[in-house]
Amino acid sequence: AQSVAQPEDQVNVAEGNPLTVKCTYSVSGNPYLFWYVQYPNRGLQFLLKYITGDNLVKGSYGFEAEFNKSQTSFHLKKPSALVSDSALYFCAVRDDASGGSYIPTFGRGTSLIVHP
Amino acid sequence: NAGVTQTPKFRVLKTGQSMTLLCAQDMNHEYMYWYRQDPGMGLRLIHYSVGEGTTAKGEVPDGYNVSRLKKQNFLLGLESAAPSQTSVYFCASNNRGEQYFGPGTRLTVT
Repeated sequence: AQSVAQPEDQVNVAEGNPLTVKCTYSVSGNPYLFWYVQYPNRGLQFLLKYITGDNLVKGSYGFEAEFNKSQTSFHLKKPSALVSDSALYFCAVRDDASGGSYIPTFGRGTSLIVHP
Repeated sequence: NAGVTQTPKFRVLKTGQSMTLLCAQDMNHEYMYWYRQDPGMGLRLIHYSVGEGTTAKGEVPDGYNVSRLKKQNFLLGLESAAPSQTSVYFCASNNRGEQYFGPGTRLTVT
C-alpha cells in the first residue's frame, strides 16, 4: 500500500525568503517520489522526482527536494521565493512493489502564497 | 510535440445528458489516466488504462465509462450526467515515470 501526506494546506512566505513545502509518505517497497505544480486554471506540471541516488534532487524553476528515508519525507525547497512561485503544489508517491499499473498516489495539495 | 491535449475545455450539461471527453497524447505512452479534481479533495483517479484495448477502474469509477481503442486516445464518457459530476477533469499519461497532464476540462452539470 502507498500513501502520502501534505500536512499544510497553505504555506505563506515573503518574497526572497527560503520556502519549504512538506511531504511525508508510506510505502511497502521502495518509493518513487514526485512533486508537481499547478497554476490557476492549468493542469499539473512535473517539477522533479526521486527514484534512486542522491538524496538531494534538483528540478525546474530552481526547486529542489530532499529525500529522507529515515523520516519518510520528501520536502520541497527553494532558497529564495518569488511571487510567481505562488501556486498549488502536489506531492506524489509510487511504491515500486505496487505492480504494473504505475499509478501514483497524490497528496491533497499545499497552496503556496509568496507575498511581495 | 503537443504532449497531452483534452477536448473540450469547458462544457455545461443538464442533468441526464451524456457527453464524451477526449484525451490525446503524442508521446507514445502506454499508460493513461482520468482524474477529477474537486476543492479540498485533491486528485481522484476515475479510470486508467495500461495499454491499447485495456481499461480498469480507479478510486471513483461510478457514473463513468472509458475506452482506449487507439494507443494515443483515452475517452471518458458520462452516460447520464449528475450534479455530483460537476468537477475539473484531467487526463494524464506516463511511460513508467512521471505523469504528463492535460490542461483540463471544466464540466458543470445543472
